Amino acid sequence: GAGVSQSPRYKVAKRGQDVALRCDPISGHVSLFWYQQALGQGPEFLTYFQNEAQLDKSGLPSDRFFAERPEGSVSTLKIQRTQQEDSAVYLCASSSGGGTQAFFGQGTRLTVV
Amino acid sequence: EDQVTQSPEALRLQEGESSSLNCSYTVSGLRGLFWYRQDPGKGPEFLFTLYSAGEEKEKERLKATLTKKESFLHITAPKPEDSATYLCARSGNTGKLIFGQGTTLQVKP
Repeated sequence: GAGVSQSPRYKVAKRGQDVALRCDPISGHVSLFWYQQALGQGPEFLTYFQNEAQLDKSGLPSDRFFAERPEGSVSTLKIQRTQQEDSAVYLCASSSGGGTQAFFGQGTRLTVV
Repeated sequence: EDQVTQSPEALRLQEGESSSLNCSYTVSGLRGLFWYRQDPGKGPEFLFTLYSAGEEKEKERLKATLTKKESFLHITAPKPEDSATYLCARSGNTGKLIFGQGTTLQVKP
């Protein structure tokens, strides 16, 4: 596709429910990033993939957060046993690597009730 | 620790009133300094990348500049459609971005 695509755009989850957020990066982009953006704040780094390898997961806030990119293209961010503090916009970005500009998707707004 | 600080947090301008947004960043290991624009309900949209002190880039009414410790986003004669949140970010070796909290710009007609 022409840009980074994320789905769903909106997700409401009951506390304790598991959720899965999908990211389709720009075709051919080797680098993929996940960010979390709280209301009124800048995005905060969660994790980074180079192809299928997860090279940095230092930003994942707890072991309830898990990300994968098994074939080096589509990525899924999974949150287990969601809690209210997980409510945020989750942004995915991809780039061709080497510190080049990253292109962002529209984000998934997660609300935990 | 890598840090990015933006000021002001919010800025209100009249149409045509030029101004500048500030971004201070930690210098160590810098691979690039990025500016993004974010509209409500959307993901950040890339504007500029700056790599070395003294570098400048322009796009329409926007000009980004870089010094050894700061970057500025100058907005000349802004229009209401320039209203958005402007995000500054620094990049390290892996390409991951460390963002500031953003400056929300409102331009009134």
